[in-house]
Amino acid sequence: DAGITQSPRHKVTETGTPVTLRCHQTENHRYMYWYRQDPGHGLRLIHYSYGVKDTDKGEVSDGYSVSRSKTEDFLLTLESATSSQTSVYFCAISADTSYNEQFFGPGTRLTVL
Amino acid sequence: LAKTTQPISMDSYEGQEVNITCSHNNIATNDYITWYQQFPSQGPRFIIQGYKTKVTNEVASLFIPADRKSSTLSLPRVSLSDTAVYYCLVGDEDSGGYQKVTFGTGTKLQVIP
Repeated sequence: DAGITQSPRHKVTETGTPVTLRCHQTENHRYMYWYRQDPGHGLRLIHYSYGVKDTDKGEVSDGYSVSRSKTEDFLLTLESATSSQTSVYFCAISADTSYNEQFFGPGTRLTVL
Repeated sequence: LAKTTQPISMDSYEGQEVNITCSHNNIATNDYITWYQQFPSQGPRFIIQGYKTKVTNEVASLFIPADRKSSTLSLPRVSLSDTAVYYCLVGDEDSGGYQKVTFGTGTKLQVIP
């Protein structure tokens, strides 16, 4: 399996608090992605990165920010968590975007009360 | 945006061959067709990818007709462990040339003993 870890794996927080999720890879892949998965919606792309300090928005980026200061780490921040952000968050990596082969992390289950 | 349509769910008995068809009428010339598998509480896993005609690996076969407006994932002799959600994706190149995949809701395959 590709070397991708996510931390924390589970988190419960309260509305209005900031939350940061971390994705760490050991594959030296250029591209990294954050998705959220909710019942009835499948996986939706939040943000992605195509290199250190190079990021762009996905289809559901409102309320989220990301940073990538090192190749191996991609951080997802919820500046002020809301209950609508309760979800399972997956990080993914890929060496090349042309072939759509992404490797996914184990996921983080976030609950916002 | 490139979009895919696939059945929401399918049931199959153990030992049968399962074919899941995906339509992608707006597929672009450069797009590959990719299928992922997702088990509960895990991230999606790449299964197979193709551009045209037929591709086969140790897990599945992918059939793509000449017009490429659809594709069929074929799983030979399914077992209970093949119960999962299967996603069909095509590339979605943005203005910067980066391929952002769109997962959709997938097909939930239930294998019955």
